[in-house]
Amino acid sequence: DTEVTQTPKHLVMGMTNKKSLKCEQHMGHRAMYWYKQKAKKPPELMFVYSYEKLSINESVPSRFSPECPNSSLLNLHLHALQPEDSALYLCASSQGIAGVSTDTQYFGPGTRLTVL
Amino acid sequence: GENVEQHPSTLSVQEGDSAVIKCTYSDSASNYFPWYKQELGKRPQLIIDIRSNVGEKKDQRIAVTLNKTAKHFSLHITETQPEDSAVYFCAAVNTDKLIFGTGTRLQVFP
Repeated sequence: DTEVTQTPKHLVMGMTNKKSLKCEQHMGHRAMYWYKQKAKKPPELMFVYSYEKLSINESVPSRFSPECPNSSLLNLHLHALQPEDSALYLCASSQGIAGVSTDTQYFGPGTRLTVL
Repeated sequence: GENVEQHPSTLSVQEGDSAVIKCTYSDSASNYFPWYKQELGKRPQLIIDIRSNVGEKKDQRIAVTLNKTAKHFSLHITETQPEDSAVYFCAAVNTDKLIFGTGTRLQVFP
């Protein structure tokens, strides 16, 4: 299995809602990532997990809370989001052996989030 | 931190022509340079990558060149086809972070 999967595909939420995005990979990768991508822009790194530990947080607001329950799963918990948080949220994974990001990163299809 | 500039922002070519996209990076410590293709509504997909100990790499119609001294790298697509139409992102890896260029929208007209 050489795929990264993400659920849900689409999510609409109000500013007071709590929701979670899920990401899964079964490639035995030990590094997993969350990116945010706005329309017509490149992906922007949010978080990096290496061996299930948070290794990079790119000064992301606390309304985004990542979690890595095991080596195959990555969650992003959302609470009290703002309309400007509407974007495509991409998960990625890499072997994470040679270095966290010097291995090829494989991206999931993304969750398109709309905050009303 | 690392900054990656990418040009052009849009590129239109006739089917069968070649396309070249150029990127420059700022930090000489960057050592891995992947290129991703992203079709509308789809995930970014790696099409080719190059490491700092290599000057050129080719895979069928796609090639990447790296000039470490000048800190720039380029993507070359030959014999373009309509299915090559997409947004292409270059990237550089620096201190465990993948920094993307701003993207090039390539349109290949039949």
